[in-house]
Amino acid sequence: AQSVAQPEDQVNVAEGNPLTVKCTYSVSGNPYLFWYVQYPNRGLQFLLKYITGDNLVKGSYGFEAEFNKSQTSFHLKKPSALVSDSALYFCAVREAGGYNKLIFGAGTRLAVHP
Amino acid sequence: NAGVTQTPKFRILKIGQSMTLQCTQDMNHNYMYWYRQDPGMGLKLIYYSVGAGITDKGEVPNGYNVSRSTTEDFPLRLELAAPSQTSVYFCASSRALGQPQHFGDGTRLSIL
Repeated sequence: AQSVAQPEDQVNVAEGNPLTVKCTYSVSGNPYLFWYVQYPNRGLQFLLKYITGDNLVKGSYGFEAEFNKSQTSFHLKKPSALVSDSALYFCAVREAGGYNKLIFGAGTRLAVHP
Repeated sequence: NAGVTQTPKFRILKIGQSMTLQCTQDMNHNYMYWYRQDPGMGLKLIYYSVGAGITDKGEVPNGYNVSRSTTEDFPLRLELAAPSQTSVYFCASSRALGQPQHFGDGTRLSIL
């Protein structure tokens, strides 16, 4: 069965420090992977995706993600965190079989402290 | 450019009442989706549609119905509201396979 795991409920980081939000996945076939961010009382906003190609994917707001096939991971990273990055982050994988359905992880709350 | 618009933003229902959550998109996307978001649970797919007239069940369809008469609109119907349906509901759309989904800002529904 396909699934996505985000092992940390919350990540705390000081402003200016690098951040990592972890995601591992289980799929049949080649994975289509996505990261979304959710701010309070808002819908999810797309950050970046991996379909094929370079293992390091760059996205919006300075975020990037590293695809690692052997570890089945797709961790979200940013070299220098901002307080405004504080939000809920979701990793998702496209379900096999078409129709662009996504399976979401439970989410990781990122708190960036001044 | 409105994107995906959901109405209402908030609603309180009594047990047994019915209502329709509205969703419309102005991007001419074929694929549309309804999710519910419960705390600590991520998003669960309720129903999806791959085009006008074509809908199918997702992971948690019980207690809900949908229709897709036009490309733009994808309403979600709750027939007999139950407390377990208290949640935040999100509608999303995407242009094609492999493309990201675009989300509305959600409808916060409480059933008392």
